[in-house]
Amino acid sequence: GEDVEQSLFLSVREGDSSVINCTYTDSSSTYLYWYKQEPGAGLQLLTYIFSNMDMKQDQRLTVLLNKKDKHLSLRIADTQTGDSAIYFCADLNNQGGKLIFGQGTELSVKP
Amino acid sequence: DTEVTQTPKHLVMGMTNKKSLKCEQHMGHRAMYWYKQKAKKPPELMFVYSYEKLSINESVPSRFSPECPNSSLLNLHLHALQPEDSALYLCASSQEMWGSGANVLTFGAGSRLTVL
Repeated sequence: GEDVEQSLFLSVREGDSSVINCTYTDSSSTYLYWYKQEPGAGLQLLTYIFSNMDMKQDQRLTVLLNKKDKHLSLRIADTQTGDSAIYFCADLNNQGGKLIFGQGTELSVKP
Repeated sequence: DTEVTQTPKHLVMGMTNKKSLKCEQHMGHRAMYWYKQKAKKPPELMFVYSYEKLSINESVPSRFSPECPNSSLLNLHLHALQPEDSALYLCASSQEMWGSGANVLTFGAGSRLTVL
């Protein structure tokens, strides 16, 4: 079946850029998403990208998609302590149309 | 209103109790979802309702019983649960069920369930 993989942890210093990576296996993906989950909260959509796009920028967030390598990344510029959370990559495939989540990357931002 | 509201935020129940989780949205979304999430794990899909009809049941045990009384409300009835059912239960909604554009899911804050 489809699989979405992420590294589990990332630690950065406040003010640095963070890059969270995700790989997926489904070649029929239509949309890919990044969700953020703060402790004790639900999932908050950060951004999404259509599969025929290479890049999407939204303020401090930059999403890069390499469809050939099935690799998605989320770059957070000028990372702040409030960015500390778990970030989930998710893939909406075209067969059955379910949202497949990665395991989540726990981002820790140190002052 | 751009929120999904879940009640209660916390619930503790014994294995013989019957309780319900509630979810409400007023965004006009026609698809509503229940997910189960264990600590630091991704959400796992349980049920999907589309236009108030159950469309997907991910082989969830019958001790979990969903109900969609109208297009704004989604309930999850709980009975005879096991301690391993303790988790965060997330409700989400979207404009339509999957297969229609980007179909962004809006999640509620969740109901944290503890089964003793």
